[in-house]
Amino acid sequence: DAGVTQSPTHLIKTRGQHVTLRCSPISGHKSVSWYQQVLGQGPQFIFQYYEKEERGRGNFPDRFSARQFPNYSSELNVNALLLGDSALYLCASSFGLQETQYFGPGTRLLVL
Amino acid sequence: QQQVKQSPQSLIVQKGGIPIINCAYENTAFDYFPWYQQFPGKGPALLIAIRPDVSEKKEGRFTISFNKSAKQFSLHIMDSQPGDSATYFCAASKDWTDKLIFGTGTRLQVFP
Repeated sequence: DAGVTQSPTHLIKTRGQHVTLRCSPISGHKSVSWYQQVLGQGPQFIFQYYEKEERGRGNFPDRFSARQFPNYSSELNVNALLLGDSALYLCASSFGLQETQYFGPGTRLLVL
Repeated sequence: QQQVKQSPQSLIVQKGGIPIINCAYENTAFDYFPWYQQFPGKGPALLIAIRPDVSEKKEGRFTISFNKSAKQFSLHIMDSQPGDSATYFCAASKDWTDKLIFGTGTRLQVFP
């Protein structure tokens, strides 16, 4: 079975632009979470979705938004990009809310 | 109260040594404590996890020790190998929310 997949793998944007990151969970998994990992730090929780509903939100500004589709894939959107948004964005999936999370390889975003 | 404090920041051992990584938490509501291994350019991969009802868990060469009264847990890697060189993150989560709170990471280098 394929693991969690994310696209694109790398992305370069300029300040003020908008970005959309995509995640496909492991087949059968219904929960998707997004994390931001700044270089040299641990991942920080951004959002969690389960059965297409938002179940948790971390301490991130409203410029960050996400959604989950009927096939359980997910998108993370970031508006008005700042230099500080440069990071590795990780998607993790789990079967349910109390199950082990499996991470994808991430999308590395560089904001210039 | 949401923090998970991890130490040391970096660790260098020789092959066959037993590196130990420590984490401490404050929120007594945490009830799930996983350890993740991350190689450069990859997403975190679950190594081993423990719940507070046990004091120790072993999986292969990896052991978690858990001290509920001290609110501390640690990862021991037996017979360490150069292939274990990676960054290790402890994490914690509470209730059913499944949001993971990560430590700051420990960069482990194992020399032949």
